[in-house]
Amino acid sequence: KAGVTQTPRYLIKTRGQQVTLSCSPISGHRSVSWYQQTPGQGLQFLFEYFSETQRNKGNFPGRFSGRQFSNSRSEMNVSTLELGDSALYLCASSLVSSGGADTQYFGPGTRLTVL
Amino acid sequence: GQQVMQIPQYQHVQEGEDFTTYCNSSTTLSNIQWYKQRPGGHPVFLIQLVKSGEVKKQKRLTFQFGEAKKNSSLHITATQTTDVGTYFCAGLTGGSYIPTFGRGTSLIVHP
Repeated sequence: KAGVTQTPRYLIKTRGQQVTLSCSPISGHRSVSWYQQTPGQGLQFLFEYFSETQRNKGNFPGRFSGRQFSNSRSEMNVSTLELGDSALYLCASSLVSSGGADTQYFGPGTRLTVL
Repeated sequence: GQQVMQIPQYQHVQEGEDFTTYCNSSTTLSNIQWYKQRPGGHPVFLIQLVKSGEVKKQKRLTFQFGEAKKNSSLHITATQTTDVGTYFCAGLTGGSYIPTFGRGTSLIVHP
């Protein structure tokens, strides 16, 4: 099976702009989670989507949003970018059906730099 | 909310020395997962522990889950340069779909 793919891999934006990142999960995986990774804060959970519904949400401002499509592909959007949004954004998919956690399979990430 | 603390933050070792990272949760966990992230890479799942007092081995890696299911450790025997990376623990509570990650321990192995 192909792994989790994320596009783009690298992105440079300026403050105030918005950005959309894309994630394609492993075939058959219905749960997609997004994480922000920075050297200072480690891996921070943004949100999780399951069957096109946001099921869990981390402690991030409303500028961070996401969605999931019927084919389980997911996008996350960050509006009004700030310098502090520079980070590696990781997407992870898992095979969660009726409940309970499963292994998180991470994609290679999108490296976002905000200037 | 649930917190997962991981120590140490960094560990320098000479090749051949042992290494241990510790993970402690503020709440009882249903299970705990361990991941490894190589420099420039993404986290990769290593193992999941579910039972109280469980010990699992993967070659030179030994994973333990505490009796109270609130702590865990990863021990590497005779480190090699290929062990370099950041090791994360991730704890889950009952009914939770999303693991809470520790801050990770970065292992640096000097040849």
